[in-house]
Amino acid sequence: DADVTQTPRNRITKTGKRIMLECSQTKGHDRMYWYRQDPGLGLRLIYYSFDVKDINKGEISDGYSVSRQAQAKFSLSLESAIPNQTALYFCATSDLLGGGFNEQFFGPGTRLTVL
Amino acid sequence: AQKITQTQPGMFVQEKEAVTLDCTYDTSDPSYGLFWYKQPSSGEMIFLIYQGSYDQQNATEGRYSLNFQKARKSANLVISASQLGDSAMYFCAMRESIQGAQKLVFGQGTRLTINP
Repeated sequence: DADVTQTPRNRITKTGKRIMLECSQTKGHDRMYWYRQDPGLGLRLIYYSFDVKDINKGEISDGYSVSRQAQAKFSLSLESAIPNQTALYFCATSDLLGGGFNEQFFGPGTRLTVL
Repeated sequence: AQKITQTQPGMFVQEKEAVTLDCTYDTSDPSYGLFWYKQPSSGEMIFLIYQGSYDQQNATEGRYSLNFQKARKSANLVISASQLGDSAMYFCAMRESIQGAQKLVFGQGTRLTINP
């Protein structure tokens, strides 16, 4: 079984709809992240959480909200989806380390299309 | 300012040749880390190799090596003896500390195509 799972894997929705993307992990990591990937722009950080009570905005948080329901679960919500939120969304996790090697493990991605 | 720059949007290489993917970075943090990830057409992100800013030797992982030139702020990925399965997007990323929190910043990526 995959260590980091995302649901749904693909979603088509309409402008103005509320949508939630879910991420679960079995790696026991404290840190979880949501990224967005657009062609030609690489991955950009939306939100990150270093534990259940610690949630922080990333580079492009406008139009998004998150919920860390448990150590293993981190959800991303689009309250009112708009077409320019069409993108590939990744969840990632990492260990809580003070420094040094700190690999992020990525989920398989959710392809979201907003019509 | 761009923190991670990958200047090659696309590269085409013959199978079995070595290939170098360029990555330059910008940071004032003395402690940082550099990562390379591979993204095949299926979309998943696959970790390849890591280099810490204090590491004395260049990182190697199988056919992957990282040409780390700290003074030039470059961290190029070298793939030896390329294979058809190496065709993918490749992302360079830097771990940096922002307000005490360590996060990854990604470059725009390079699309590598291996020709038979």
